[in-house]
Amino acid sequence: SAVISQKPSRDICQRGTSLTIQCQVDSQVTMMFWYRQQPGQSLTLIATANQGSEATYESGFVIDKFPISRPNLTFSTLTVSNMSPEDSSIYLCSVVTTRTEAFFGQGTRLTVV
Amino acid sequence: EDQVTQSPEALRLQEGESSSLNCSYTVSGLRGLFWYRQDPGKGPEFLFTLYSAGEEKEKERLKATLTKKESFLHITAPKPEDSATYLCAARSGNTGKLIFGQGTTLQVKP
Repeated sequence: SAVISQKPSRDICQRGTSLTIQCQVDSQVTMMFWYRQQPGQSLTLIATANQGSEATYESGFVIDKFPISRPNLTFSTLTVSNMSPEDSSIYLCSVVTTRTEAFFGQGTRLTVV
Repeated sequence: EDQVTQSPEALRLQEGESSSLNCSYTVSGLRGLFWYRQDPGKGPEFLFTLYSAGEEKEKERLKATLTKKESFLHITAPKPEDSATYLCAARSGNTGKLIFGQGTTLQVKP
């Protein structure tokens, strides 16, 4: 398995500001992903974090709003930019190991006021 | 189009009352069917991965099975601590992405 540390665990932010979420894994993984989970909903994939290159975004998500970095095989960040109350969600980092198993961090609960 | 559907949306059981959760999938070139447990305010906790039809995996009171079209999560003699949302996800062979169902929220009453 993989141990994933995600920070912060929660935050309350003012609209118009930005928040950067960090995801650290205890071992090298093949793939890293960022998901959003809105209240009472299932998980929606935001993007695939690619090591050393631009992230691959899903339909409805853009780089200007959700810039992602992945400088190495064990670390990634997701920034939620120019936040509005509609961005209030849980944001989750996920990794796929060499055994093709997928694990999740504990999530960042974001509230925008 | 790749799709995963879970049923029922919600399930209430008495302690000790066994039941099953269903996950139907339509995914090109399935590369794994995943089950997770999610408690309120927490990230999904990995339970099982199944890769081929006929495969079964067990963990305590949970057993997951897989056919070519669906997966079942059987819960035997559940306890109140089994109360959670159970998520199913299928990995597409074309894209490598996990496609999630909407989840089944299980409540086990003592």
